[in-house]
Amino acid sequence: DIQMTQSPSTLSASVGDRVTITCRASQSIVDWLAWYQQKPGKAPKLLIYEASSLESGVPSRFSGSGSGTEFTLTISSLQPDDFATYYCQQYDTYWTFGQGTKVEIK
Amino acid sequence: DVQLVESGGGLVQPGGSLRLSCAASGFTFSSYAMLWVRQAPGMGLEWVSTLTDAGTGTHYADSVKGRFTVSRDNSKNTLYLQMNSLRADDTAVYYCAKDRTGVSGDASDIWGQGTMVIVSS
Repeated sequence: DIQMTQSPSTLSASVGDRVTITCRASQSIVDWLAWYQQKPGKAPKLLIYEASSLESGVPSRFSGSGSGTEFTLTISSLQPDDFATYYCQQYDTYWTFGQGTKVEIK
Repeated sequence: DVQLVESGGGLVQPGGSLRLSCAASGFTFSSYAMLWVRQAPGMGLEWVSTLTDAGTGTHYADSVKGRFTVSRDNSKNTLYLQMNSLRADDTAVYYCAKDRTGVSGDASDIWGQGTMVIVSS
């Protein structure tokens, strides 16, 4: 099974900060990686697919990069609406989520 | 609007059964693989099962293999999850989700609101 490890688990940041979340796969997943945002009591929302492709309607301050086993999600300038939990997901072999990164207000 | 609406959750005793449904609208349901993903209280997301567009290919997480069965009725635009031999650690919000493209094995671009399953005596 492919394991996905996110870091950090929690991130404290301020509005306007540049934020980076890392996701590592236990084996190469090429670029079959997605990023989701989830707010309390809500369903996940797709942000990025194929490691770096921005889903339609998602603000351009979100970007993804990486390939193989190392991936990052970057929020260029954190907005109040961005405080949430973020998950990476591999879909190279079945589907596996990372454990999540909570972005909280500093 | 593209929409997924889950139903069928509730309180069930350990060892019991429950069938979840996911009604789809606003897209050609029969053209997309569909997934079930769950989230235990306060925990992260866990993939549960995937069913291909025609319903001929199924995949399950090891944690539910042999106990859960995914199916679909493309004439009713509905996805199902039959859950048997339920255990306390199956307690979670269950989401259905749509594959982003028509090729099975993709990210999920549309999610339902979720239905809560509580396994407790």
